[in-house]
Amino acid sequence: GAGVSQSPSNKVTEKGKDVELRCDPISGHTALYWYRQSLGQGLEFLIYFQGNSAPDKSGLPSDRFSAERTGGSVSTLTIQRTQQEDSAVYLCASSSDSSHYGYTFGSGTRLTVV
Amino acid sequence: AQSVSQHNHHVILSEAASLELGCNYSYGGTVNLFWYVQYPGQHLQLLLKYFSGDPLVKGIKGFEAEFIKSKFSFNLRKPSVQWSDTAEYFCAVRSGATNKLIFGTGTLLAVQP
Repeated sequence: GAGVSQSPSNKVTEKGKDVELRCDPISGHTALYWYRQSLGQGLEFLIYFQGNSAPDKSGLPSDRFSAERTGGSVSTLTIQRTQQEDSAVYLCASSSDSSHYGYTFGSGTRLTVV
Repeated sequence: AQSVSQHNHHVILSEAASLELGCNYSYGGTVNLFWYVQYPGQHLQLLLKYFSGDPLVKGIKGFEAEFIKSKFSFNLRKPSVQWSDTAEYFCAVRSGATNKLIFGTGTLLAVQP
């Protein structure tokens, strides 16, 4: 597609429920990144995919967080047993192999845990 | 660990004032440097980037940034701001050893007409 697409754009969930966030990167972009944006915290790196593998998942906050990518394209970020501190905007970005292009970000999924 | 510091969390300027937003990073090797902007209700957009060559880089909308290696800095500047520059600005660094960008906490700029 023309840009990075994320769904849903907004998600309200009850504490303890599981949620799945989806990211469709730009076609042909092999690298995909997940970040979390909280008020006053800036952008926090979560995980990086190159193709379907995740060489860097150092930013995942706990084992309740997991992510996968299939077909070198769509990625899903899953949060199990959500907690109120998980409330944030979850951003996805993609880039081509060439680092000179930087990232293209999606509009994010705003997650609210009540 | 790598880190990026943005010293100004909230800046308020009048239109036509000059802007300089500070950014310092902590990494001694080769780095790529970026400034991203997030306008109200919009997604993050690349403003400008530095990879090599001329340390003074020019970006969109009249913004520029200067890479000063000895100071580990990449400050963003604009000679005369407009109301439409109201946004949050993020500095980011990518080291040669990794593909991920490390972001600063952002600077919220409000330009008053």
